[in-house]
Amino acid sequence: EVRLVESGGGLVQPGGSLRLSCAASGFSFSNYNMNWVRQAPGKGLEWLSYLSISSSSVYYADSVKGRFTISRDNAKNSLYLHMNSLRDEDTAVYYCARDPDSSGYYRRLDYWGQGTLVTVSS
Amino acid sequence: DIQMTQSPSSLSASVRDRVTITCRASQGISNYLAWYQQKPGKVPKLLIYAASTLQSGVPSRFSGSGSGTDFTLTISSLQPEDVATYYCQKYNSAPFTFGPGTKVDIK
Repeated sequence: EVRLVESGGGLVQPGGSLRLSCAASGFSFSNYNMNWVRQAPGKGLEWLSYLSISSSSVYYADSVKGRFTISRDNAKNSLYLHMNSLRDEDTAVYYCARDPDSSGYYRRLDYWGQGTLVTVSS
Repeated sequence: DIQMTQSPSSLSASVRDRVTITCRASQGISNYLAWYQQKPGKVPKLLIYAASTLQSGVPSRFSGSGSGTDFTLTISSLQPEDVATYYCQKYNSAPFTFGPGTKVDIK
């Protein structure tokens, strides 16, 4: 069974930092591109970041570029999101999601974790 | 960056009605589009990718079409379990932006 489990969320003050983790199991993690997506309370989905299998391709949304860093450890079957300079508007549930496509023609997010809540507040 | 819009923002329909949701890209994205369903309090679920390819396990009443800038998600016969918010997402190039969502409920 494919499982993605996020952790590391919590309450952080504006300007602070946090590292989210996503533990993958039930599939060969090193063969899949990965993404982070967030959802602010009562709002829609916001794509944040993409990381390719070998970490050779990485993309960010403008809203987090320069503040967030995506990384992975294939030996640990884990994806990470390092978040710095956090703002009130970063408050959201953060999801990791798997992309099974290697060609770029059929990208999709076929499995999602349950999400971890990040609250930025003083 | 390419902007994604969806219409309507919400709709109410009767069981067994045919429902159509539109997603529009501000520039052409070929068929690099996916659709997701998010039920209240749940994790998003992939419905369709490559504009019209049904994800395994998704009921056949869901279908997608379109190319370029205009796309549609159709539910051929709305069921009570289809109450959800539906999102499109482009992936021709980063950023892989989602549309704002369309909330569907039962009349």
